[in-house]
Amino acid sequence: DAGVIQSPRHEVTEMGQEVTLRCKPISGHDYLFWYRQTMMRGLELLIYFNNNVPIDDSGMPEDRFSAKMPNASFSTLKIQPSEPRDSAVYFCASSLGPGGGYGYTFGSGTRLTVV
Amino acid sequence: GESVGLHLPTLSVQEGDNSIINCAYSNSASDYFIWYKQESGKGPQFIIDIRSNMDKRQGQRVTVLLNKTVKHLSLQIAATQPGDSAVYFCADWSSSASKIIFGSGTRLSIRP
Repeated sequence: DAGVIQSPRHEVTEMGQEVTLRCKPISGHDYLFWYRQTMMRGLELLIYFNNNVPIDDSGMPEDRFSAKMPNASFSTLKIQPSEPRDSAVYFCASSLGPGGGYGYTFGSGTRLTVV
Repeated sequence: GESVGLHLPTLSVQEGDNSIINCAYSNSASDYFIWYKQESGKGPQFIIDIRSNMDKRQGQRVTVLLNKTVKHLSLQIAATQPGDSAVYFCADWSSSASKIIFGSGTRLSIRP
């Protein structure tokens, strides 16, 4: 298995532009998570899906952020418009369960820089 | 706010010695505690977890200890190797929240 695949690995964009991050979970994993990592705030859960349905989006910073999972093998995290404070590493993870005995498998992340 | 936190931001250990990474938590309702390892440029990697009704669990070269009386969790790495250099996160999961919450991380560096 190739693991969780994220693209792009690096993204540099100008403030105000739309940014789309992509994730392909491990086949058969029913749960998909989007995390953001910064030095100041560490690893924060933004949103997670179960069977393609968003379950908890309480970590999404504001309306500029949106996430979709149109099918079991693909998810996107979109930021529109992007701001410098959105600069971070964004991780996607997938799992057989929500946690509790089911470890999450993380992708390699997308490093986003907004200038 | 976070329900888990770490005592020390950095830990330096001689190669071959045992490493002990500590973590405090505040959520008494946590059902599982988990340790992740993150190497530079990579995503966090699951190491080991422990259910809240257990005190100890062992894996390959790693042992996790849970002291619910003082709400303390530790990860012990035996015979530390250069490949163990990474940031280690403790995390917790509760059935009520149904999501893993990460602590702030400890950087482990290995002296040759």
